[in-house]
Amino acid sequence: QSALTQPPSASGSPGQSVTISCTGTSSDVGDYDYVSWFQQHPGKAPKLIIYDVSKRPSGVPDRFSGSKSGNTASLTVSGLQAEDEADYYCNSYAGINTPCVFGTGTKVTVL
Amino acid sequence: QVQLVQSGAEVKKPGSSVKVSCKTSGGTFSNYAINWVRQAPGQGLEWMGGIIPIFGAAKYAQKLQGTVTITADESTSTVYMELNSLRPEDTAVYYCARAAGWVSAPTTWGQGTLVTVSS
Repeated sequence: QSALTQPPSASGSPGQSVTISCTGTSSDVGDYDYVSWFQQHPGKAPKLIIYDVSKRPSGVPDRFSGSKSGNTASLTVSGLQAEDEADYYCNSYAGINTPCVFGTGTKVTVL
Repeated sequence: QVQLVQSGAEVKKPGSSVKVSCKTSGGTFSNYAINWVRQAPGQGLEWMGGIIPIFGAAKYAQKLQGTVTITADESTSTVYMELNSLRPEDTAVYYCARAAGWVSAPTTWGQGTLVTVSS
């Protein structure tokens, strides 16, 4: 099972929006609505910000939104804030033998 | 509030083994999945495997089959990850992460355990 493909970096000015893509295959992202997104600040454990493609856990601002089309999932961060500067990883269920596969990660910079 | 507390940092020689523990407190243990995820310095997240204690059998990433063993002790609500035949490229922070099941995203993460493999 290969890692899901994300762009290495993305950036935006405060208040702008940034969208990160996560491309998988018909065996993972394309086959299941179990895509999640994690935010990770340096030296910290990942934090879940989106699950089941587009659902937000309690406490996660609605500036974070998720979607999926075919084999590609996307995370959009609207109204960028300084604290959104972090690494972002997508994750997908990939079947009973490989229940978890991560994306390659995207570093978001707030200019 | 569910918490996962991991064992402390380890320094190991190449070819040796390491066993990292992850203790669950404040929540149900047996019917939740505990996944192990590692992150090499400056690199991304890699799923290693996981276990749902009530089912017993662990699942492993194909790449690590035969080198990693994940077990659960229901009496202490602790999951263990043992990695054998260590190589310098196994140097990483190892996280345990709890999920409601195999299809669910991990919602609670341990603090991470740094394992350094060096001669």
